[in-house]
Amino acid sequence: NAGVTQTPKFQVLKTGQSMTLQCAQDMNHNSMYWYRQDPGMGLRLIYYSASEGTTDKGEVPNGYNVSRLNKREFSLRLESAAPSQTSVYFCASSEMVVITYEQYFGPGTRLTVT
Amino acid sequence: DQQVKQNSPSLSVQEGRISILNCDYTNSMFDYFLWYKKYPAEGPTFLISISSIKDKNEDGRFTVFLNKSAKHLSLHIVPSQPGDSAVYFCAASKGFQKLVFGTGTRLLVSP
Repeated sequence: NAGVTQTPKFQVLKTGQSMTLQCAQDMNHNSMYWYRQDPGMGLRLIYYSASEGTTDKGEVPNGYNVSRLNKREFSLRLESAAPSQTSVYFCASSEMVVITYEQYFGPGTRLTVT
Repeated sequence: DQQVKQNSPSLSVQEGRISILNCDYTNSMFDYFLWYKKYPAEGPTFLISISSIKDKNEDGRFTVFLNKSAKHLSLHIVPSQPGDSAVYFCAASKGFQKLVFGTGTRLLVSP
C-alpha cells in the first residue's frame, strides 16, 4: 500500500499562474484533508472532505478550490497564485472525519510562488 | 491568534535521558489532544493522543500528560533514542473534529 501520495513534490510558480495539487489515497478512507505548513505557524487546515461528494472550508480557504474527484482522490487548485501561498502543502486522509480516527499524511508538496 | 502554542522551538537531549516536550492551549473547549512526529521530507505521523476526560496516557516509551486547569499538555519520551530526533507537533480539537496544530518543537537526541 502506498498510503497517501501527492504530486508534484516541488513546484515553482509565477504570481498569477494556476496549478492543481493532486492527492490520492489507497486506504479506502472516507475523509480527506488539505493542510498548509508555514514557518512559525504549524499546520493549518485549508479544506476537507468528510465523504465523497462533500467539501467544507477549513481555517484558511481563501485563494483555493478543491475537488473530491472520487473516494480516492482530492485535489487542491490555486487559480491565481500569490507569493503568500508559498508553503508546504500536505494532504491527509482518515477513515472518518471524527478526529479519534487517525489522519494519515502524504509527503507534502513544496510550492514557491515568485 | 495561536490557540495551540509550543513555546520551545527546539530541544536537545542525550540518548537514554528523558525528553519533555510542552504545549499550551488557550481554548478551554478543546476536548481531544494529539501529538504528531515529523521527519524531514515526510508527512506528520500520529504518535499518541489523550481525551480531556483523562490526565495521562501511556504507549511504550511515550506518555502524554494533560493538565486541564493549566491548559497544558506535555509529551515525555523515556528513554530518548537518536531515532526520536524529529519535529513534534501537538494538536487539539473541539467536538472531535478539525485539528488545530501547534508550531512544532524540533527534538535532537544525541548519542
